[in-house]
Parts: sequence; structure tokens; C-alpha cells
Amino acid sequence: NAGVMQNPRHLVRRRGQEARLRCSPVKGHSHVYWYRQLPEEGLKFMVYLQKENIIDESGMPKERFSAEFPKEGPSILRIQQVVRGDSAAYFCASSDSTDTQYFGPGTRLTVL
Amino acid sequence: GENVEQHPSTLSVQEGDSAVIKCTYSDSASNYFPWYKQELGKRPQLIIDIRSNVGEKKDQRIAVTLNKTAKHFSLHITETQPEDSAVYFCAASDRGADGLTFGKGTHLIIQP
Repeated sequence: NAGVMQNPRHLVRRRGQEARLRCSPVKGHSHVYWYRQLPEEGLKFMVYLQKENIIDESGMPKERFSAEFPKEGPSILRIQQVVRGDSAAYFCASSDSTDTQYFGPGTRLTVL
Repeated sequence: GENVEQHPSTLSVQEGDSAVIKCTYSDSASNYFPWYKQELGKRPQLIIDIRSNVGEKKDQRIAVTLNKTAKHFSLHITETQPEDSAVYFCAASDRGADGLTFGKGTHLIIQP
């Protein structure tokens, strides 16, 4: 669904820097999901948020990763002190009260 | 947690023939099963989904079947065309709980 927006589309960081990925859901959608996709692999669930609440973060690494979906503004996935293994495509998806998730174009993170 | 297995990893068919991709899941509580198509460098796009209260769903050349007893579901594409070439992912979820659990994908190649 073209309505899900992500920025930046490409992000290059050096090891130890912070990466901030933004996701604006489809207008009217209150559910946001973040997924990570490594090259030649499927998507791995990271975290599920509703406005101002983290509903399920079972797929999120325990350290360095955090996510938020504030009352106003986009959802943010934050990765502190990035390492080379964090290089991947990060996709955001949104849904309304039904199951159907629509994906954004992704942010491709490269850690040098 | 849920585990989704997808086969085959690569499928090559002649244009005009049919293609079938199969997935199994482990969590009997799962009740929503979407299929996504992903072209190289693009976002996953929902092509069809099925909920556990039905056994089959069809949309033009695409159909999905679900066997809850055996915990498997399949994607059927008839009269394949070159534009069907892509990676296809199956997924499963327990609505209201976690995000989607994806299979590892099937690279579908349509031979002219």
C-alpha cells in the first residue's frame, strides 16, 4: 500500500553510530509493525506497537534496539551503537483493526 | 512460538503453466494466513490472504487453500506470466497477538 511511508530509504552509518528509522502508517491505521530482512532471507518480526504503547517486542534484540509510536508523528525504530550485523532492510507495516498489514518501501541500512 | 516452513525455495515453470507453493505452520492458534509477493528491491505486497474459517479463496489467477487439520496452506497461480516472476512469502499469525511469522520465501521463475 503506497500509503505507508518510510524514511530514509537508504542509510549509511559507521560502527558505533546511531540509526533512526521512521515510519508513517497509512492514514487512520493505529497498528505499526517493524520487520527486518537480511539478504536472501524472509522477514523477521521485531516489534508491534499501537499509539503510545508497545504491544509485543518479542522479536526485538534486548540491547541497542528500541521503538516508539508517539501520539503525534511517525513511529521510530532506533538502533544505538550499530554493528555490521545490523546491516539489513528494515520494513514497517501498518494495519487498522483487521489483520491485513501493508508494508512500506523499507529502509536499507548499511553499516561500514 | 510459531514456525512456518515454505517449499520449494526455488520454482521454475514454463509460461502458461501453473505454480504451487506450499507452507506448513506449527501453532494451532494461528488463524490468519497471508501471501506476499516481493520483487527485487521492492516492498512485500499482499496478493491474497485467508482466514481460518474458510478452506479456499480465489482471486482471478491466484488461489489459496488451507487445511487446518494438517496445518498447511498453499498458493496456486494458474496461467503464469513473466510478471509473476518474484519471491513469494507465506506467513501466519494469531490475530491480536504477535506480528506475522514468515516462511523463508520461494523464488518463482517464469520461463518464456
